[in-house]
Amino acid sequence: AQKVTQAQTEISVVEKEDVTLDCVYETRDTTYYLFWYKQPPSGELVFLIRRNSFDEQNEISGRYSWNFQKSTSSFNFTITASQVVDSAVYFCALSGTYNFNKFYFGSGTKLNVKP
Amino acid sequence: SAVISQKPSRDICQRGTSLTIQCQVDSQVTMMFWYRQQPGQSLTLIATANQGSEATYESGFVIDKFPISRPNLTFSTLTVSNMSPEDSSIYLCSVGGGVYDEKLFFGSGTQLSVL
Repeated sequence: AQKVTQAQTEISVVEKEDVTLDCVYETRDTTYYLFWYKQPPSGELVFLIRRNSFDEQNEISGRYSWNFQKSTSSFNFTITASQVVDSAVYFCALSGTYNFNKFYFGSGTKLNVKP
Repeated sequence: SAVISQKPSRDICQRGTSLTIQCQVDSQVTMMFWYRQQPGQSLTLIATANQGSEATYESGFVIDKFPISRPNLTFSTLTVSNMSPEDSSIYLCSVGGGVYDEKLFFGSGTQLSVL
């Protein structure tokens, strides 16, 4: 079974603080893909990153970084020096070997960045 | 990347009526996907629409309630039939995914409220 868990329902931070959004996944597939999407108040879903299961290297993109740990089935997302514009709901998602087109989304973490 | 136009962007409907949501993509795609996002919830896949064949529905979703059309490689419609207040959600069209297409691209969504 495929499942994505985002245990943090809502997080509030003050601007310039660092924040980590947790994502834990379950899959029996040996090859799979993990994603993060951002959904700002306007509602559209914005793709942030895709990571395949063979690439455990962490990735940094500006203030964003992702930590993929296969041993703990986690794919956590850190925002450094958060800004008000980072306020959004963030979704972690998983797609698997036999049906790459089917995405399983976590329940989302709402991030509030206060000035 | 794909540009997806979805309409209507929002609608308020009466119980027992039906609404058809349109999704237009700026390029030809094999598969189109319809997701539902209930208030404050995550995204759930309703069905996969392939051109030239019947849509494939996920568990909990049936064709009589959510009929889908896919007349060509750039267009699809989702109808929400015999609506009840429980159908109040955001409905999202998406394309992409897969090994080569990587990420899913999403339309801006249709905010449906049923009174």
